[in-house]
This record gives sequence, structure tokens and C-alpha cells, in this order.
Amino acid sequence: NAGVTQTPKFRVLKTGQSMTLLCAQDMNHEYMYWYRQDPGMGLRLIHYSVGEGTTAKGEVPDGYNVSRLKKQNFLLGLESAAPSQTSVYFCASRAGGSGANVLTFGAGSRLTVL
Amino acid sequence: AQTVTQSQPEMSVQEAETVTLSCTYDTSESDYYLFWYKQPPSRQMILVIRQEAYKQQNATENRFSVNFQKAAKSFSLKISDSQLGDAAMYFCAYRSADNSGGSNYKLTFGKGTLLTVNP
Repeated sequence: NAGVTQTPKFRVLKTGQSMTLLCAQDMNHEYMYWYRQDPGMGLRLIHYSVGEGTTAKGEVPDGYNVSRLKKQNFLLGLESAAPSQTSVYFCASRAGGSGANVLTFGAGSRLTVL
Repeated sequence: AQTVTQSQPEMSVQEAETVTLSCTYDTSESDYYLFWYKQPPSRQMILVIRQEAYKQQNATENRFSVNFQKAAKSFSLKISDSQLGDAAMYFCAYRSADNSGGSNYKLTFGKGTLLTVNP
């Protein structure tokens, strides 16, 4: 049971470089999310998707883009990385519906922007 | 917008003793879900316990239980017989149950409480 897989797990970028974080889930979940975690800030929602082909902004969307071309994948892109984007990024997914369905998280991706 | 507040940045407990982590939230909704997640040093986020607001009975999972006070908008986590493996960051989280406006899609987290377990 792979669950939610994030790649890469670690990455170091220079300011201005671009990169894409890939999130893949094998649970047929409708909803997928990207969060960032910074010390003392908890987890903040960047973008989310409620189905294939749809995306929406969360609390801190600036500087990021996302795509959900396939139901199982949710990509997070940084077009021009900035030091303020140094963080640990978590992808999560959950089943649709109105119940107390639980988020399943990936293991996180640590990004450092120099 | 809903907010979740964890007023204790750090807590410590002796092994085998009991500790309570606090969480309060602000919402105007009557139906919602509350969660406690654990994040050990491995970084993996693990669900500890969940509570549906319409249920008056407090949720329990083995050594973990909650004290859900809906009127006071409080959702504390009690860990009994603390073990070394309980040492982690604990996050309280809120999600609306309202399907209409799309707000039920999002989970809002508190800033976390770092729990240390002393042998």
C-alpha cells in the first residue's frame, strides 16, 4: 500500500530556478492538497483540487502553480524560486463526500532555496 | 474563516503519566469535524483521533481521548500512560461539514504543540 508518494524528498534550488514537486496517490481519492510547513506556523494550504482537471487556491498560493491532469497526480510548480519558499511541502489526499474522511499525507519534501 | 489555536507551543510529560494538549477553534458553523494529528521526527503526519461535532460522546482511541466542549469551542487531547514513542509535534485541525460553499474541502490546522516524553 503506497498511499501518497511525493518526489523528490529533498531538493536545493538557487533563487530564480524552477522545479516541480510530484504527488501521486493510489487510493482513487477525489481531493488532493498541497501544504507547506514552516517552524511556528503549522501547516498552511497552498492549493487544492477537488477532482481531475480542477484546482483552487488555498491560503498561501502566490508563487506556486498546480495541475491535476490525472486523478492520481497533483503537481506543484515553482516557476521562479525565492528564499521565502524554503519549507517542507506536504501533499495529502482524501476521499470525497461529506463524511469525516481523513487526510492521508505523503512523507514530505524538504525544499531549500539559496 | 475558521481559526484553530493551540496555546501551548511545548509540553513535557514523564513516561507513564498523563498529559493534556489544548486546542480551541473559532467557527460559526454547527456541523464540523475535528482531528488530532501526530508528527514524529520522521515528519510523517499520522491521524491520532477524530471527532464529529454532532456526536456528544467524546472520541477515544486506546490511550488517546478527547474532551470535546462544543459550547466552549474546545477540543483537548488527553494522552494516558505516556510512552517514549508519543514524543512528537501534535496538530489540532478543523474541517467544515458544510457541502454547499466548498469550505468542507479544506482542513485548517493549528500551529502545533511539541510534546516531549521524559524517561
